[in-house]
Amino acid sequence: KAGVTQTPRYLIKTRGQQVTLSCSPISGHRSVSWYQQTPGQGLQFLFEYFSETQRNKGNFPGRFSGRQFSNSRSEMNVSTLELGDSALYLCASSLSPANTEAFFGQGTRLTVV
Amino acid sequence: KQEVTQIPAALSVPEGENLVLNCSFTDSAIYNLQWFRQDPGKGLTSLLLIQSSQREQTSGRLNASLDKSSGRSTLYIAASQPGDSATYLCAVQGGSEKLVFGKGTKLTVNP
Repeated sequence: KAGVTQTPRYLIKTRGQQVTLSCSPISGHRSVSWYQQTPGQGLQFLFEYFSETQRNKGNFPGRFSGRQFSNSRSEMNVSTLELGDSALYLCASSLSPANTEAFFGQGTRLTVV
Repeated sequence: KQEVTQIPAALSVPEGENLVLNCSFTDSAIYNLQWFRQDPGKGLTSLLLIQSSQREQTSGRLNASLDKSSGRSTLYIAASQPGDSATYLCAVQGGSEKLVFGKGTKLTVNP
């Protein structure tokens, strides 16, 4: 059974550019959540999607957005990149939004220069 | 607002030692608590999930306990091995459905 797949694994972007990250959940999982991990702040919640609907959003600026497709795959987009957006972006997949085990992908390492 | 604390931040032990990692949370209204392992530069690997109605879960050399009323969980690792070296994270899930993470405990097991 394939795990959570995140692409690309590594990205280098310039300030002001935009970026799109992709996450394919475990087959049968309909809930996808995104987290940002930095050395200073640790893991912080970005958003959660279930059945193509955003159920929850973390305390991030509007430059951070996401969506989920009918096959449960999800994308997140960051526009007008800032140096502080450099982080490991992790996607988690679960059967449903609440009270089920979360499985994480390997992450996308974004570096903004 | 839920806050999760993990103590200690770092731990170094000789191979073969039994050890305990601690996790505390401020709001006891949780659905579950999950322990993860993270190797440098990698994603999170789920180790154990404890539902709020459970007291403990075991998987191989790992045992996790949960005391919801006091807001505490422990992860016990028996007979530690160098391959156990990693950062261990605990996370709680409550009504907001998001996982709230601690900052982790970085474990080093020395051969």
